[in-house]
Amino acid sequence: GQQVMQIPQYQHVQEGEDFTTYCNSSTTLSNIQWYKQRPGGHPVFLIQLVKSGEVKKQKRLTFQFGEAKKNSSLHITATQTTDVGTYFCAGPRRAAGNKLTFGGGTRVLVKP
Amino acid sequence: DGGITQSPKYLFRKEGQNVTLSCEQNLNHDAMYWYRQDPGQGLRLIYYSQIVNDFQKGDIAEGYSVSREKKESFPLTVTSAQKNPTAFYLCASSPRWLGNYEQYFGPGTRLTVT
Repeated sequence: GQQVMQIPQYQHVQEGEDFTTYCNSSTTLSNIQWYKQRPGGHPVFLIQLVKSGEVKKQKRLTFQFGEAKKNSSLHITATQTTDVGTYFCAGPRRAAGNKLTFGGGTRVLVKP
Repeated sequence: DGGITQSPKYLFRKEGQNVTLSCEQNLNHDAMYWYRQDPGQGLRLIYYSQIVNDFQKGDIAEGYSVSREKKESFPLTVTSAQKNPTAFYLCASSPRWLGNYEQYFGPGTRLTVT
């Protein structure tokens, strides 16, 4: 069935460095959503991408939706300690009535 | 002040007891969801409700039950049949049940069963 996979599972980043996390789907998605969960907290919606090739920015975060609408990326520049947390992507699962399916998440740890 | 509330934040139970987790929203959302999260893991869907008086099993419904008698409330009962109930339980809601809508999460309940 349709799955949403995220890589890497863990990302250790030196403060001030850039990194990218990736989200891949086995099928085309109508949209992709990104959420952030701080340690001990709950997921919070960050952004939704809908169009093929779409790029959106939120301060130091850049989100991209692939041309084929099967993958997405989140790029963080100049990582700060406030970026610590788990980033989840999610997309509608067509085989299950378009319910939102979450990837396994990328856990980001920042070294000061 | 709109949002989703879950209570309690921490819950301890003895093995063999049923326990009910509360979830309330005042966002006027049609759809509500229950997820389970184990340490260092992603979100697994337990049950969801598209509209009041309706609910559907998710990916890991065994050992759990829900009700949706009111639009704003979607309580989850963890029964004694659930073999590994210790986990972090998250409730969420969205305006409609389709995956095109963002989900709003409550603060979660950490359940420990010994």
